[in-house]
Amino acid sequence: AQSVTQLDSQVPVFEEAPVELRCNYSSSVSVYLFWYVQYPNQGLQLLLKYLSGSTLVKGINGFEAEFNKSQTSFHLRKPSVHISDTAEYFCAVSGGGSQGNLIFGKGTKLSVKP
Amino acid sequence: DTEVTQTPKHLVMGMTNKKSLKCEQHMGHRAMYWYKQKAKKPPELMFVYSYEKLSINESVPSRFSPECPNSSLLNLHLHALQPEDSALYLCASSRGQPSLNQPQHFGDGTRLSIL
Repeated sequence: AQSVTQLDSQVPVFEEAPVELRCNYSSSVSVYLFWYVQYPNQGLQLLLKYLSGSTLVKGINGFEAEFNKSQTSFHLRKPSVHISDTAEYFCAVSGGGSQGNLIFGKGTKLSVKP
Repeated sequence: DTEVTQTPKHLVMGMTNKKSLKCEQHMGHRAMYWYKQKAKKPPELMFVYSYEKLSINESVPSRFSPECPNSSLLNLHLHALQPEDSALYLCASSRGQPSLNQPQHFGDGTRLSIL
């Protein structure tokens, strides 16, 4: 069975500081990995995805993530955050099991303070 | 603006009411999904439609009844709901058949409150 672990439930950070949101997955088959962001009172927006190829993936809003197969990780990073990045971030994996089924982590609340 | 549109944005209903949630997309996607999200939790998959046919029902109670009248529309009919059904209901769509590597596009959800 596949699973996703987001190691931090909350990450407070000051504006313009770098941030890393951690995600580890477990899977016995090839995986496809996604990061989604959810702003208050909104749905989920795709930030970036890893399907194959380069392990460094660039997404929207200046975010990037690195797929590390040996460490089964897919951490999300941004070199300088803004107040507007305050949101809930979900790591998700698909692969195996139900077709098209996304397995979500529990989420990380990023709070950017001035 | 999201490309998946959900209506209504908010819904308050009693336990004996019948109501419907609607979802619409015009991206030509042929897979559509319903998720339930409780506060401070990740979304939980409820149903998947592929080419207007129900392909996955994640053991959802029968008081939730999905319907896909055409490739652009997805409904969720609600009847005799319980207070624990209060949640944010998200619709999503993806290209082609439900595929492991196709990202899903989400609507902003309907926030449902059961009195």
